[in-house]
Amino acid sequence: RKEVEQDPGPFNVPEGATVAFNCTYSNSASQSFFWYRQDCRKEPKLLMSVYSSGNEDGRFTAQLNRASQYISLLIRDSKLSDSATYLCVVNFQRDYKLSFGAGTTVTVRA
Amino acid sequence: EAGVAQSPRYKIIEKRQSVAFWCNPISGHATLYWYQQILGQGPKLLIQFQNNGVVDDSQLPKDRFSAERLKGVDSTLKIQPAKLEDSAVYLCASSSRFSGLAGQNEQFFGPGTRLTVL
Repeated sequence: RKEVEQDPGPFNVPEGATVAFNCTYSNSASQSFFWYRQDCRKEPKLLMSVYSSGNEDGRFTAQLNRASQYISLLIRDSKLSDSATYLCVVNFQRDYKLSFGAGTTVTVRA
Repeated sequence: EAGVAQSPRYKIIEKRQSVAFWCNPISGHATLYWYQQILGQGPKLLIQFQNNGVVDDSQLPKDRFSAERLKGVDSTLKIQPAKLEDSAVYLCASSSRFSGLAGQNEQFFGPGTRLTVL
């Protein structure tokens, strides 16, 4: 079983729509959770950390469910610029080693 | 602040040849990572350095891959000899104990080196 699993998508949505997707992780001792964004042929960049209480950053909302071992990302009022691959990232240890999912591709169309 | 620098950006070699990649992390970042990202997959950690010491190289194919960070700053990753399955983007990232959100250290990635093995 992979450490971090994601629905690869693609999710094709019109501008202004809401899109949400999940990521599951296998290690119940996981400590830190993140969403990274990767544009086509570019490097990953941190989008947001995911906190136990859930958190928002503008149009982006991240949730953590430790009991079911998944995290989610919701994008409201989608923009064309939101088109990217969203990587779910989990930290299992205190040495900052990160495990990446394969990514969920989102395409926002005009 | 200058980002993580990597070179070359692209490299095409034939199988069984050797290749080396270079990374210069963000100034002051003690931790440096090398990742391999195969098309359609997420980045996979190959090796992690803390200053010039190796913290984790459990997923580094040591029969053909080697990496060093002699002075605790720049790093090189070498493949010798290369195989077809080594075709991937090699990403370097760095992080600092003193940056990031709520104590969680953000990793900053370089643009990567896209390796094609023919």
